[in-house]
Amino acid sequence: EVQLVESGGGLVQPGRSLRLSCTASGFNFGDSAMSWVRQAPGKGLEWVGFIRSKAYGGTTEYAASVKGRFTISRDDSKNTAYLQVNSLKTEDTAVYFCTRDQGTSRPYYFDYWGLGALVTVSS
Amino acid sequence: SSELTQDPAVSVALGQTVTITCQGDSLRSYYAGWYQQKPGQAPVLVIYLKNTRPSGIPDRFSGFNSGNKASLTITGAQAEDEADYYCNSRDNSDNHVVFGGGTKLTVL
Repeated sequence: EVQLVESGGGLVQPGRSLRLSCTASGFNFGDSAMSWVRQAPGKGLEWVGFIRSKAYGGTTEYAASVKGRFTISRDDSKNTAYLQVNSLKTEDTAVYFCTRDQGTSRPYYFDYWGLGALVTVSS
Repeated sequence: SSELTQDPAVSVALGQTVTITCQGDSLRSYYAGWYQQKPGQAPVLVIYLKNTRPSGIPDRFSGFNSGNKASLTITGAQAEDEADYYCNSRDNSDNHVVFGGGTKLTVL
């Protein structure tokens, strides 16, 4: 059974940082690209960023709204992807979903989703 | 960057057929994906590529793409299909992905 489990969410003050983790099981994580998608309260889905598998360079892509503040990384030995979020703004308040991305060199469809981690940015 | 437009809300009578649409320039180049999201739950991919259903998705869900439009059709809508539906595709201009704003489906 495929599982993606996010952790690390919580309440954080504006300007501070947080690191979300996503631990995967049930599929070949090392061969998979991953994306993070977020959803602000009562709003729609927003793609945040993408990391390629090592076979495709392990490089990343980011939405314009988070580029320069968010960093995605991966540790294939731990089947874990990370989302480092810096300089947080109140508008970053959202549930952050970890997803397996069917894309290889470019993000595309998200076939597996975690339950999400809530990040609340407030003073 | 590209945008995808969806109608905010659609309703359907139980057992009838409903079509949810998505429109945007990127759909001329890339097939849409469709996601179902029920309250308090993570989204679920229901259609991708030309008209492919992931394992476990009922065959009453189907997709169609033409020009700058994509559609998701539910043939014989069930009460459990009441949910928000989002389309997505690749962005035309960069290595990004874009989502539509979502359509709230009510089954009457």
